[in-house]
Amino acid sequence: QVQLQQPGAELVKPGASVKMSCKASGYTFTSYNMHWVKQTPGQGLEWIGAIYPGNGDTSYNQKFKGKATLTADKSSSTAYMQLSSLTSEDSAVYYCARHYRYYFDYWGQGTTLTVSS
Amino acid sequence: QIVLTQSPAIMSASPGEKVTMTCSASSSVSYMHWYQQKSGTSPKRWIYDTSKLASGVPARFSGSGSGTSYSLTISSMEAEDAATYYCQQWSSNPPTFGAGTKLELK
Repeated sequence: QVQLQQPGAELVKPGASVKMSCKASGYTFTSYNMHWVKQTPGQGLEWIGAIYPGNGDTSYNQKFKGKATLTADKSSSTAYMQLSSLTSEDSAVYYCARHYRYYFDYWGQGTTLTVSS
Repeated sequence: QIVLTQSPAIMSASPGEKVTMTCSASSSVSYMHWYQQKSGTSPKRWIYDTSKLASGVPARFSGSGSGTSYSLTISSMEAEDAATYYCQQWSSNPPTFGAGTKLELK
């Protein structure tokens, strides 16, 4: 069965960077786009961007360009999202989600990012 | 980008009651998709392509709509249906979500 495994939490200091992971299993990793979605109480669900692990092609929400960098490791079926220059505004739950047609059919459990000194 | 407005933001229903929530798009979209999210868990695909139920979704749920107006209906509320429901479009980039309708059990 399809599974997307994410670490439960990350605690990072302001100004630092963080690299989150999303390990996929149960399907051919290189055949589906992997997306990242941010969830906050105030802004709801926001699409960050996507990567096609088959060739590394990426697309980003204009809002997150310069903030998020998406990569993928085919050998370990793992997608990554690096967030840079962190501020309290980046504190949120971040989900990876598999793309199917025009929606997201499987979601990871989410990583709760806390940016605090 | 297309803005999705969900209403109401919060609602409550008694067991057996019919529930309808709506999602209005700022521009016409071809399909609407819905997710269910319970506290502390990730969103789950619930209704896709406007009216198709995801695997395991009870038949009391239905989706309908076209253009800029879409809805999710529960024919008879059950306790397990208490959750937040989000609509999502991808007729144009970027994909966007509504702010959600929180459905509570009365």
